[in-house]
Amino acid sequence: NAGVTQTPKFQVLKTGQSMTLQCAQDMNHEYMSWYRQDPGMGLRLIHYSVGAGITDQGEVPNGYNVSRSTTEDFPLRLLSAAPSQTSVYFCASTPVTGGYEQYFGPGTRLTVT
Amino acid sequence: AQSVAQPEDQVNVAEGNPLTVKCTYSVSGNPYLFWYVQYPNRGLQFLLKYITGDNLVKGSYGFEAEFNKSQTSFHLKKPSALVSDSALYFCAVRERSSGNTGKLIFGQGTTLQVKP
Repeated sequence: NAGVTQTPKFQVLKTGQSMTLQCAQDMNHEYMSWYRQDPGMGLRLIHYSVGAGITDQGEVPNGYNVSRSTTEDFPLRLLSAAPSQTSVYFCASTPVTGGYEQYFGPGTRLTVT
Repeated sequence: AQSVAQPEDQVNVAEGNPLTVKCTYSVSGNPYLFWYVQYPNRGLQFLLKYITGDNLVKGSYGFEAEFNKSQTSFHLKKPSALVSDSALYFCAVRERSSGNTGKLIFGQGTTLQVKP
């Protein structure tokens, strides 16, 4: 299994540009989530999904959209990038039942200028 | 409000000495508790968890953690630190009442520096 994969690894955007961060998992996990990591603030939940077709907002959803058309994929869209969205973004997945721990992707480092 | 606190930004220990990374939480009920480790430029790796049962849980790489309900703490420990343990450590909690949403609340992280 590849686990949780994220693309791209690095991205530089100009203010106002849009882009999609990709996330995929091959473990057939129902639950997927997006976090952002900022220095001294830990990880904060942006959006999450408990299954295909179901998404909900986390702690810091503004400026981001998600959709979940398949179990495997959970893309994160930045509609109009702002410097405040400069961060490292992590995707994670977990089965709804069982182990409880989340499996994290390697992250995408995004810089908005 | 639900929160997780890691009171130390950085912990410094000498190789071979015991280490403790502290975590306290403020979450209703009896939460699930986790520790993750992050090496530079990598994603988070799961270390250990407390779900129920014995208050002392053992995890990967010789780490263990003790759940203390009265103090609402879940400190990470290791009897003998290695230089390779140097990394960023995160404590996280999940409410049992969150059902199948699985949302995690993270602490701000503690950098562990183990010196030779």
